[in-house]
Amino acid sequence: GQSLEQPSEVTAVEGAIVQINCTYQTSGFYGLSWYQQHDGGAPTFLSYNGLDGLEETGRFSSFLSRSDSYGYLLLQELQMKDSASYFCAVRDRGNTGFQKLVFGTGTRLLVSP
Amino acid sequence: DAMVIQNPRYQVTQFGKPVTLSCSQTLNHNVMYWYQQKSSQAPKLLFHYYDKDFNNEADTPDNFQSRRPNTSFCFLDIRSPGLGDAAMYLCATSRDYGPQRQFFGPGTRLTVL
Repeated sequence: GQSLEQPSEVTAVEGAIVQINCTYQTSGFYGLSWYQQHDGGAPTFLSYNGLDGLEETGRFSSFLSRSDSYGYLLLQELQMKDSASYFCAVRDRGNTGFQKLVFGTGTRLLVSP
Repeated sequence: DAMVIQNPRYQVTQFGKPVTLSCSQTLNHNVMYWYQQKSSQAPKLLFHYYDKDFNNEADTPDNFQSRRPNTSFCFLDIRSPGLGDAAMYLCATSRDYGPQRQFFGPGTRLTVL
């Protein structure tokens, strides 16, 4: 089967750094993505790692270790607007043979003043 | 701005009364997806189209059907909604398969009375 595990909730203060971990077990693997979703809103793409290592996009960085089936999202200089749910998602080969996104359980980030 | 549009944003229906949700995109993407997301859960893929080729997830109930009459539009039909079908329904697109980011619409929140 497929499973992606994330912490259910993380709290931090403005200006801090927070790391959200994701461990996965999938039958196939074609990369790890991260999506942000505010309450009542749509998921929006943050980053993608196809190979091991660190990808940086502004205040956000994402890391992947394929040998450890592990990745994380690093958020720096936290702002109140970063309060949202964060989902890791693995590209896996579905039952029809195409690559599909399988989402993790989601991590709710609460940023306080 | 190119985007993914969903209508209506909120839909209330009665138990067993058919309902249709719509999605349109101006991105000219080949792939369109329908996800179901229940409260505090991850989005779950129901089915997707590559152009007009339909792909159903194995565990998607027969109660759910979809149509894609052209590149821009895709519809989700729920033939006999049950209380358990109350959820947010998200439409997403991607240019192609593979490591392509998905663009999500704002979602339709379905309430079943």
